[in-house]
Amino acid sequence: QVQLQQWGGGLLKPSETLSLTCAVYGGSFSGYSWSWIRQPPGKGLEWIGDITDSAAANYNPSLKSRVSISVDTSKRQFFLNVTSVTAADTAVYFCGRGRRVSTWGKGTTVTVSS
Amino acid sequence: QSVLTQPPSASGTPGQRVIISCSGTGPNIGTNFVNWYQQFPDTAPRIVIYHNDQRPSGVPARFAGSKSGTSASLAISGLQSEDEADYYCGAWEDSLNGSFYVFGTGTKVTVL
Repeated sequence: QVQLQQWGGGLLKPSETLSLTCAVYGGSFSGYSWSWIRQPPGKGLEWIGDITDSAAANYNPSLKSRVSISVDTSKRQFFLNVTSVTAADTAVYFCGRGRRVSTWGKGTTVTVSS
Repeated sequence: QSVLTQPPSASGTPGQRVIISCSGTGPNIGTNFVNWYQQFPDTAPRIVIYHNDQRPSGVPARFAGSKSGTSASLAISGLQSEDEADYYCGAWEDSLNGSFYVFGTGTKVTVL
């Protein structure tokens, strides 16, 4: 059974870069797309973007200018970078598997504050 | 960014049937499959319906999804206390600049 373990984030200052990693354990890595989703405190889900194992990425148009998603198939990991963070980027960030996000990581909290 | 519209809340007594709507547009629900997610407080969401009306293994049969045109619905029959959670719909949206995934605004289901 596939499991997603994510790490990174924590407390950031405005204008810094957010970096997260998601590692995939069990199951197949190839043939799937791998997603990032976030949820601000008390609010709904927001899709950030995804990437295939061949590194083809899709991004949320509202975040595209600041977001980069990459993948390392040899390590079975994928990554999220968000540049120039502000308080509006404060959220729980989830990684997920598949175009329908059938499997989710547990989430990691990112707080942006001066 | 497009979002899918859901009612903020829905409620029912144990045993009742609750229906949650999800309204979209042609480029998202009108063209692509709809998925539904259940989320308990401080936990990650889990998928309960995919491809409009398919239930993953382990999801009770009282959860049923449907789609018509640019709208979709999640029905919970025989409502149980453990169904009290937030529910989100989701679908891919196709645009001239590429495709992206959109979530619904979320519905909090309360079991009275």
